[in-house]
Amino acid sequence: AQSVSQHNHHVILSEAASLELGCNYSYGGTVNLFWYVQYPGQHLQLLLKYFSGDPLVKGIKGFEAEFIKSKFSFNLRKPSVQWSDTAEYFCAVNGPYNNAGNMLTFGGGTRLMVKP
Amino acid sequence: EAQVTQNPRYLITVTGKKLTVTCSQNMNHEYMSWYRQDPGLGLRQIYYSMNVEVTDKGDVPEGYKVSRKEKRNFPLILESPSPNQTSLYFCASSTGGGGPYNEQFFGPGTRLTVL
Repeated sequence: AQSVSQHNHHVILSEAASLELGCNYSYGGTVNLFWYVQYPGQHLQLLLKYFSGDPLVKGIKGFEAEFIKSKFSFNLRKPSVQWSDTAEYFCAVNGPYNNAGNMLTFGGGTRLMVKP
Repeated sequence: EAQVTQNPRYLITVTGKKLTVTCSQNMNHEYMSWYRQDPGLGLRQIYYSMNVEVTDKGDVPEGYKVSRKEKRNFPLILESPSPNQTSLYFCASSTGGGGPYNEQFFGPGTRLTVL
């Protein structure tokens, strides 16, 4: 079965610092990749997604992620974080299509705190 | 407004007392699913439904039931809740199909405590 690893459980940064959150998945093939964000007390919202094409995808709020197929990775980046980016971030993988149907497998989440 | 709604938002109950958490979406999505969120474990899929009358187990289905009699509704049933089902539950929907349309839209969550 597909599994997703987020290696950093807690990250603390100062404002304007650069951010990179790691995400690796276990099972190759054709997959769809997502990053979701959960602000305190709120539900999950989509930050960005990768289905095909350019492996560098840009999302909302200045976030981007790079899909590296050979490394089974989909790391999230932001050049300069803001206090309002304080949230929990989840990587998620759908597929491969012929194995996991339309199940979405989430990583354990990374809790980001940005100090003003 | 396109949305996924869940009720109740908060529930405290006792072991063994059957409960239902409702989920409804107004986007005509075929695919709906239930997740539970626990600290350090992320979201784990409980059940999903590809369409009306089509449901399947996710990663952690034990102790839960679902039904999909109508496209818009996907209730989660705990026949005999136990304390290990204390969690934050999210319902989600998407156009499904495994193709490029499965961005999932999440409900606001239901925080369940089983004493």
